[in-house]
Amino acid sequence: AQTVTQSQPEMSVQEAETVTLSCTYDTSESDYYLFWYKQPPSRQMILVIRQEAYKQQNATENRFSVNFQKAAKSFSLKISDSQLGDAAMYFCAYGNKLVFGAGTILRVKS
Amino acid sequence: DSGVTQTPKHLITATGQRVTLRCSPRSGDLSVYWYQQSLDQGLQFLIQYYNGEERAKGNILERFSAQQFPDLHSELNLSSLELGDSALYFCASSVYDRASAGNTIYFGEGSWLTVV
Repeated sequence: AQTVTQSQPEMSVQEAETVTLSCTYDTSESDYYLFWYKQPPSRQMILVIRQEAYKQQNATENRFSVNFQKAAKSFSLKISDSQLGDAAMYFCAYGNKLVFGAGTILRVKS
Repeated sequence: DSGVTQTPKHLITATGQRVTLRCSPRSGDLSVYWYQQSLDQGLQFLIQYYNGEERAKGNILERFSAQQFPDLHSELNLSSLELGDSALYFCASSVYDRASAGNTIYFGEGSWLTVV
């Protein structure tokens, strides 16, 4: 069975700075998809970014980018120019049915 | 707004009771998923339907059941409710990306269930 591990329960970043959230996963599959979802206090689940494992190029969506290391089974999320609205719980997820990590709470300081 | 609609948004019920949560997927999405988010178990995949047929099962209890109707809306039925069933239940739907042969899953706002 696939597992997803987020080792940082909580992270803090100063507004306008950059922060990286870590995620590792375990799978025996060779083709798969990875996602980062954001859950603000409203509890809505918002897709941030998606990565296909067959693509060597790291996905980027505006201020959000990933560092995908397939051999290491690592999938970190980098948030640049952090904004107050980025404060939320961030979940790393694996696969077509979504296996989630435990989440990382991101706090943004003004 | 993801386009996935869930009702009710909040529900309070007593132990032993039965409730039904309803979900309308995004227009054109054939797959519907149900997830449970609780404090002690985190976010868990419960079940997936595709075009009316059960496609995959996760950690869904036998007291829980789901179905997807011909108009593609789905219902999650929770019976013999226990205090531990209190959670946020998400419905999600997915669009199949032909270019990458993969799904991207979009979530509704969730239904808060409190069992007292």
